[in-house]
Amino acid sequence: QVQLQESGPGLVRPSGTLSLTCGVSGGSVTSGNYWSWVRQSPGKGLEWIGEMHHSGSSNYNPSLKSRATISVDKSKNQVSLKLGSVTAADTAVYYCATPFTVATSFDCWGQGTLVTVSS
Amino acid sequence: VLTQSPGTLSLSPGERATLSCRASQSVSSNYFAWYQQKPGQAPRLLIYGGSIRATGIPDRFSASGSGTDFTLTISRLEPEDFAVYHCQQYGRSLYTFGQGTKLEIK
Repeated sequence: QVQLQESGPGLVRPSGTLSLTCGVSGGSVTSGNYWSWVRQSPGKGLEWIGEMHHSGSSNYNPSLKSRATISVDKSKNQVSLKLGSVTAADTAVYYCATPFTVATSFDCWGQGTLVTVSS
Repeated sequence: VLTQSPGTLSLSPGERATLSCRASQSVSSNYFAWYQQKPGQAPRLLIYGGSIRATGIPDRFSASGSGTDFTLTISRLEPEDFAVYHCQQYGRSLYTFGQGTKLEIK
Protein backbone atom coordinates (compact mmCIF):
# COMPACT_ATOMS: atom_id res chain seq x y z
CA GLN A 1 0.00 0.00 0.00
CA VAL A 2 1.25 3.44 -0.90
CA GLN A 3 2.05 5.73 2.01
CA LEU A 4 2.16 9.52 1.82
CA GLN A 5 4.05 11.88 4.13
CA GLU A 6 3.77 15.65 3.97
CA SER A 7 6.56 17.92 5.11
CA GLY A 8 7.42 21.59 5.06
CA PRO A 9 7.56 24.76 7.15
CA GLY A 10 4.86 25.09 9.75
CA LEU A 11 4.95 28.89 9.65
CA VAL A 12 4.80 31.13 6.60
CA ARG A 13 4.78 34.93 6.56
CA PRO A 14 1.87 36.78 4.96
CA SER A 15 2.43 37.51 1.26
CA GLY A 16 5.03 34.74 1.17
CA THR A 17 4.96 31.37 -0.57
CA LEU A 18 3.85 28.18 1.11
CA SER A 19 5.94 25.20 -0.04
CA LEU A 20 5.14 21.62 0.91
CA THR A 21 6.39 18.22 -0.17
CA CYS A 22 4.64 14.87 -0.15
CA GLY A 23 6.95 11.87 -0.08
CA VAL A 24 5.57 8.73 -1.68
CA SER A 25 6.64 5.33 -0.34
CA GLY A 26 5.52 1.85 -1.31
CA GLY A 27 4.81 3.02 -4.82
CA SER A 28 5.90 5.35 -7.59
CA VAL A 29 4.70 8.79 -8.57
CA THR A 30 4.79 7.48 -12.14
CA SER A 31 2.27 4.72 -11.35
CA GLY A 32 -0.51 6.43 -13.25
CA ASN A 33 -2.24 8.15 -10.35
CA TYR A 34 -3.17 11.77 -10.15
CA TRP A 35 -1.69 13.28 -6.98
CA SER A 36 -3.81 15.84 -5.16
CA TRP A 37 -3.50 18.37 -2.39
CA VAL A 38 -6.45 18.98 -0.07
CA ARG A 39 -6.56 21.45 2.80
CA GLN A 40 -8.71 21.96 5.86
CA SER A 41 -8.86 25.27 7.68
CA PRO A 42 -9.33 25.05 11.46
CA GLY A 43 -12.83 23.87 12.24
CA LYS A 44 -13.84 23.90 8.58
CA GLY A 45 -14.51 21.48 5.78
CA LEU A 46 -12.15 20.03 3.21
CA GLU A 47 -11.04 22.04 0.18
CA TRP A 48 -9.45 20.44 -2.86
CA ILE A 49 -6.55 22.49 -4.19
CA GLY A 50 -5.58 20.60 -7.32
CA GLU A 51 -4.01 17.50 -8.85
CA MET A 52 -1.06 16.58 -11.02
CA HIS A 53 -0.17 13.55 -13.13
CA HIS A 54 3.44 12.66 -13.81
CA SER A 55 2.76 13.27 -17.49
CA GLY A 56 2.22 16.94 -16.70
CA SER A 57 -1.55 16.92 -16.90
CA SER A 58 -3.07 18.97 -14.10
CA ASN A 59 -6.31 20.40 -12.78
CA TYR A 60 -6.84 23.07 -10.16
CA ASN A 61 -9.61 24.48 -8.03
CA PRO A 62 -10.58 27.69 -9.86
CA SER A 63 -10.56 29.58 -6.56
CA LEU A 64 -6.85 28.81 -6.05
CA LYS A 65 -5.61 28.28 -9.59
CA SER A 66 -3.87 31.63 -9.87
CA ARG A 67 -1.77 30.98 -6.75
CA ALA A 68 -1.21 27.21 -6.65
CA THR A 69 1.34 25.08 -8.44
CA ILE A 70 1.61 21.31 -8.04
CA SER A 71 4.56 19.40 -9.41
CA VAL A 72 5.81 15.82 -9.49
CA ASP A 73 9.49 15.01 -8.99
CA LYS A 74 10.14 11.56 -10.44
CA SER A 75 13.74 11.43 -9.24
CA LYS A 76 12.73 12.02 -5.62
CA ASN A 77 9.39 10.20 -5.85
CA GLN A 78 7.56 13.13 -4.36
CA VAL A 79 4.83 15.64 -5.06
CA SER A 80 5.11 19.31 -4.23
CA LEU A 81 2.73 22.20 -3.62
CA LYS A 82 3.53 25.87 -3.87
CA LEU A 83 0.92 28.44 -2.90
CA GLY A 84 1.84 32.07 -3.41
CA SER A 85 0.68 35.36 -1.88
CA VAL A 86 -0.59 33.65 1.24
CA THR A 87 -2.78 35.28 3.85
CA ALA A 88 -4.15 34.16 7.20
CA ALA A 89 -7.00 32.52 5.31
CA ASP A 90 -4.50 29.98 3.99
CA THR A 91 -3.81 28.70 7.50
CA ALA A 92 -4.84 25.06 7.35
CA VAL A 93 -3.85 21.43 7.61
CA TYR A 94 -2.60 20.42 4.18
CA TYR A 95 -3.00 16.83 3.01
CA CYS A 96 -1.72 15.04 -0.02
CA ALA A 97 -4.06 12.37 -1.29
CA THR A 98 -4.59 10.11 -4.26
CA PRO A 99 -7.26 7.85 -5.73
CA PHE A 100 -5.02 4.79 -5.34
CA THR A 101 -7.37 1.88 -5.95
CA VAL A 102 -10.62 3.65 -6.76
CA ALA A 103 -11.28 6.36 -9.27
CA THR A 104 -12.50 9.86 -8.43
CA SER A 105 -12.31 9.47 -4.65
CA PHE A 106 -9.37 9.50 -2.27
CA ASP A 107 -8.55 6.21 -0.58
CA CYS A 108 -4.97 7.14 0.26
CA TRP A 109 -4.09 10.15 2.42
CA GLY A 110 -1.06 11.52 4.15
CA GLN A 111 -1.29 12.41 7.84
CA GLY A 112 -1.43 16.11 7.04
CA THR A 113 0.73 19.03 8.08
CA LEU A 114 -0.41 22.24 9.73
CA VAL A 115 0.71 25.46 8.10
CA THR A 116 0.10 28.73 9.90
CA VAL A 117 0.32 32.03 8.07
CA SER A 118 1.35 34.71 10.52
CA SER A 119 3.87 37.45 10.95
CA VAL B 1 -21.62 23.25 -4.18
CA LEU B 2 -22.39 20.42 -1.76
CA THR B 3 -24.48 21.24 1.30
CA GLN B 4 -24.55 18.75 4.16
CA SER B 5 -27.26 18.53 6.78
CA PRO B 6 -27.57 18.62 9.63
CA GLY B 7 -24.44 20.45 10.72
CA THR B 8 -24.43 18.46 13.94
CA LEU B 9 -26.31 15.26 14.73
CA SER B 10 -26.64 14.10 18.32
CA LEU B 11 -27.49 10.43 18.76
CA SER B 12 -26.84 7.56 21.12
CA PRO B 13 -24.96 4.32 20.43
CA GLY B 14 -27.27 1.76 18.90
CA GLU B 15 -29.39 4.38 17.13
CA ARG B 16 -29.65 4.86 13.38
CA ALA B 17 -27.96 7.87 11.77
CA THR B 18 -29.03 9.47 8.52
CA LEU B 19 -26.79 12.14 7.02
CA SER B 20 -27.68 14.14 3.94
CA CYS B 21 -25.74 15.87 1.21
CA ARG B 22 -27.40 18.01 -1.41
CA ALA B 23 -25.69 19.15 -4.61
CA SER B 24 -26.47 22.45 -6.27
CA GLN B 25 -26.49 20.67 -9.64
CA SER B 26 -27.16 17.10 -10.63
CA VAL B 27 -24.12 14.84 -10.19
CA SER B 28 -23.39 11.30 -11.21
CA SER B 29 -23.62 8.85 -8.34
CA ASN B 30 -20.62 7.10 -9.87
CA TYR B 31 -18.53 10.06 -8.79
CA PHE B 32 -19.91 10.51 -5.27
CA ALA B 33 -18.11 9.55 -2.07
CA TRP B 34 -18.32 9.77 1.71
CA TYR B 35 -15.51 10.08 4.24
CA GLN B 36 -15.19 9.75 8.01
CA GLN B 37 -12.77 11.97 9.89
CA LYS B 38 -11.79 11.69 13.54
CA PRO B 39 -9.99 14.46 15.44
CA GLY B 40 -6.36 14.81 14.47
CA GLN B 41 -6.66 12.26 11.68
CA ALA B 42 -6.88 12.38 7.92
CA PRO B 43 -10.23 11.56 6.34
CA ARG B 44 -10.93 7.90 5.66
CA LEU B 45 -12.84 6.81 2.58
CA LEU B 46 -16.08 5.06 3.53
CA ILE B 47 -18.13 4.96 0.34
CA TYR B 48 -17.24 5.52 -3.30
CA GLY B 49 -19.21 5.20 -6.51
CA GLY B 50 -22.26 6.43 -4.64
CA SER B 51 -22.90 3.23 -2.70
CA ILE B 52 -19.82 0.98 -2.70
CA ARG B 53 -18.19 0.41 0.65
CA ALA B 54 -14.43 0.88 0.65
CA THR B 55 -12.16 -1.91 1.82
CA GLY B 56 -12.64 -2.77 5.47
CA ILE B 57 -15.74 -0.64 6.00
CA PRO B 58 -18.40 -2.47 8.05
CA ASP B 59 -21.76 -3.16 6.50
CA ARG B 60 -23.60 -0.95 9.01
CA PHE B 61 -22.50 1.87 6.69
CA SER B 62 -24.60 2.29 3.56
CA ALA B 63 -25.22 5.08 1.09
CA SER B 64 -27.64 5.92 -1.64
CA GLY B 65 -28.79 8.75 -3.79
CA SER B 66 -28.95 10.21 -7.24
CA GLY B 67 -29.22 13.54 -8.96
CA THR B 68 -28.85 16.16 -6.26
CA ASP B 69 -29.70 14.23 -3.08
CA PHE B 70 -27.43 11.72 -1.40
CA THR B 71 -27.65 9.96 1.94
CA LEU B 72 -25.25 8.14 4.23
CA THR B 73 -26.87 5.79 6.73
CA ILE B 74 -25.26 4.14 9.73
CA SER B 75 -27.67 1.42 10.78
CA ARG B 76 -26.61 0.99 14.43
CA LEU B 77 -24.13 3.43 15.83
CA GLU B 78 -21.03 2.08 17.50
CA PRO B 79 -18.93 4.29 19.84
CA GLU B 80 -16.21 4.55 17.20
CA ASP B 81 -18.64 6.00 14.63
CA PHE B 82 -18.86 9.38 16.34
CA ALA B 83 -16.85 11.61 14.05
CA VAL B 84 -17.20 14.15 11.25
CA TYR B 85 -18.54 12.93 7.91
CA HIS B 86 -17.78 14.61 4.59
CA CYS B 87 -19.42 14.09 1.22
CA GLN B 88 -17.46 14.61 -2.01
CA GLN B 89 -18.26 14.72 -5.68
CA TYR B 90 -16.14 14.72 -8.80
CA GLY B 91 -17.12 16.43 -11.99
CA ARG B 92 -15.56 18.43 -14.82
CA SER B 93 -12.08 17.53 -13.54
CA LEU B 94 -12.81 19.11 -10.16
CA TYR B 95 -13.38 17.68 -6.70
CA THR B 96 -15.83 19.35 -4.33
CA PHE B 97 -16.45 18.56 -0.66
CA GLY B 98 -19.35 19.37 1.59
CA GLN B 99 -18.77 21.31 4.80
CA GLY B 100 -19.16 18.22 6.96
CA THR B 101 -21.63 16.81 9.49
CA LYS B 102 -20.46 16.26 13.03
CA LEU B 103 -21.97 13.14 14.58
CA GLU B 104 -21.76 13.47 18.34
CA ILE B 105 -22.79 11.33 21.27
CA LYS B 106 -26.05 12.44 22.86
